[in-house]
Amino acid sequence: DVKVTQSSRYLVKRTGEKVFLECVQDMDHENMFWYRQDPGLGLRLIYFSYDVKMKEKGDIPEGYSVSREKKERFSLILESASTNQTSMYLCASSSDRENSPLHFGNGTRLTVT
Amino acid sequence: AQSVTQPDIHITVSEGASLELRCNYSYGATPYLFWYVQSPGQGLQLLLKYFSGDTLVQGIKGFEAEFKRSQSSFNLRKPSVHWSDAAEYFCAVGPINSGYSTLTFGKGTMLLVSP
Repeated sequence: DVKVTQSSRYLVKRTGEKVFLECVQDMDHENMFWYRQDPGLGLRLIYFSYDVKMKEKGDIPEGYSVSREKKERFSLILESASTNQTSMYLCASSSDRENSPLHFGNGTRLTVT
Repeated sequence: AQSVTQPDIHITVSEGASLELRCNYSYGATPYLFWYVQSPGQGLQLLLKYFSGDTLVQGIKGFEAEFKRSQSSFNLRKPSVHWSDAAEYFCAVGPINSGYSTLTFGKGTMLLVSP
């Protein structure tokens, strides 16, 4: 069974800190995604990657960057955390096979104070 | 641009009663359609998906959904709800063969199950 693991379930950081959210998948998936989930707004795509060292902006990339140095790992970086980045962050992965589903991690709830 | 509307923010259903969660989409061609469920503190789990073919799709946990092109709808149904079905449900739509980067999620419907 596919496993997408997010390293932290809960994080509390201070405004201005640099924050790293880590995501690892164990199924050799080509594609990885970072979403942000907020009440009443659903899921919004921040960044995605179709290959190692490749990244593309999603719908709300401002204030975020990503890193994909290895195929199995996709990191979301908040260069200088702000209170409006308090949210639930979800990582997901999928393969290139036709009709392959999107698999999600359990999420990281980040609070910026 | 594609969009997804889940008209109900919250729905309360008695245990054992039937359930229908509504999803309407806007898209210019035949889309990929999905339903995901999110239990408290968990990520999203795929319930079912429609790509083509039979418009009535069976999923996991006894759920089904029907694609109605004329109504631009993809409503989720279950004949008898269990207390463990209490969760948030998300409908999603995307263009065929374009990858998940273009997937659009609805804002979710929270299902509450009363005893």
